[in-house]
Amino acid sequence: QVQLVQSGAEVKKPGSSVKVSCKASGGSFSAYAIAWVRQAPGQGLEWMGGITPILNRQNYAQKFQGRLTIIADGSTSTTYMELSGLRSEDTAFYYCATKNYYDNTGYNYWGQGTLVTVSS
Amino acid sequence: DIQLTQSPSFLSASVGDRVTITCRASQGISRFLAWYQQKPGTAPKVLINAASTLQGGVPSRFSGSGSGTEFTLTISGLQPEDFATYYCQQLNIYPYTFGGGTKVEIK
Repeated sequence: QVQLVQSGAEVKKPGSSVKVSCKASGGSFSAYAIAWVRQAPGQGLEWMGGITPILNRQNYAQKFQGRLTIIADGSTSTTYMELSGLRSEDTAFYYCATKNYYDNTGYNYWGQGTLVTVSS
Repeated sequence: DIQLTQSPSFLSASVGDRVTITCRASQGISRFLAWYQQKPGTAPKVLINAASTLQGGVPSRFSGSGSGTEFTLTISGLQPEDFATYYCQQLNIYPYTFGGGTKVEIK
């Protein structure tokens, strides 16, 4: 059973950056694709981007191109999501989630979510 | 990007009802669609993969169908624990977009 544990809540100023971590345990890190999905308060789910460590490949939603960086550290089974140029609209819960990298199934394991608040 | 349109966005139903949620894709996605359930304050949980394959441990009252651009999630015999928000997600082409969600509330 895979467990994903995310770093704690953050409060950031507009224009700054935030980096959230997601540590995986209980599975084979190399078999996964990891995505970051965010959810603004009271809103729906938004797929931001993902990484497939075994293929050394990242994919980002166009909306976040240039602001979003996702990296993976296989030695610690940890994935990081960094979002720069923060604005109030980036206030949301940020989730990491994993799926098998080799098929088109959904994300079956999720982190607990990290609340990022952007406020002056 | 592929747009997924869910309908309805909100529905009110009673325990025991059969409910159907529709997800329409802006272009064909074969059967690469998943359905999720999300309850307040928790992460989403995948219910169905590949349009109709029930994830392990998910009750058989949940079923999915469809291919191409039109998909449905059906709950046959709504239970109290099923009141939640449901999302579809396409996993055919990046970015793996989600539908807008359907909130199922108690009538």
